[in-house]
Amino acid sequence: EVQLVESGGGLVQPGGSLRLSCAASGFTFSSYWMSWVRQAPGKGLEWVANMKQDGSEKYYADSVKGRFTISRDNTKNSLYLQMNSLRAEDTAVYYCARDARWLDYWGQGTLVTVSS
Amino acid sequence: QSALTQPPSASGSPGQSVTISCTGTSSDVGDYKYVSWYQQHPGKAPKLMIYEVSKRPSGVPDRFSGSKSGNTASLTVSGLQAEDEADYYCSSYVGSNNLLFGGGTKLTVL
Repeated sequence: EVQLVESGGGLVQPGGSLRLSCAASGFTFSSYWMSWVRQAPGKGLEWVANMKQDGSEKYYADSVKGRFTISRDNTKNSLYLQMNSLRAEDTAVYYCARDARWLDYWGQGTLVTVSS
Repeated sequence: QSALTQPPSASGSPGQSVTISCTGTSSDVGDYKYVSWYQQHPGKAPKLMIYEVSKRPSGVPDRFSGSKSGNTASLTVSGLQAEDEADYYCSSYVGSNNLLFGGGTKLTVL
């Protein structure tokens, strides 16, 4: 059974940093692109970033480019999102998802709140 | 890049059919076969319902179907059931390995 479990969310002040993790199991993690998607409270889905199987390609939404960094450790079956210079508008539930140009499996999400 | 355009709401009675549209441009929906649809119940993670315009993942009822014409994709739910009440989002690949979502449609089963 495919499982994706996010962690690392919490309350952070504007301008602060946070690192999210996503632990994958039930499939060959190193064979798939992976994505991060977020959803602000009461709002729709927004794709944030994705990364190729071997880490050689990374892509970001314009809204996070230069502030967020996606990474992965295939030896640990884990995906990460380093978020710096956080803003109030980054407040959202962050989901990791398996990416095949569609997102076929999603985690349960982790809430990030940016507030003073 | 602007979000794909979906109607904010749709509704139908049990047993009826309802279609939700998703309008993009010739640079996204119109240019790629990678249109997908997601169902999200309150407080839950999204679930893939349709991929590559019209394909259903294993376990998704055949009451759900997808299509595309030009720059507009559509999701049709036939034989509406109470459990179909949820938010639905479309998504399209837009090149450079980016994904673009629609604003979402709240489906109400009357």
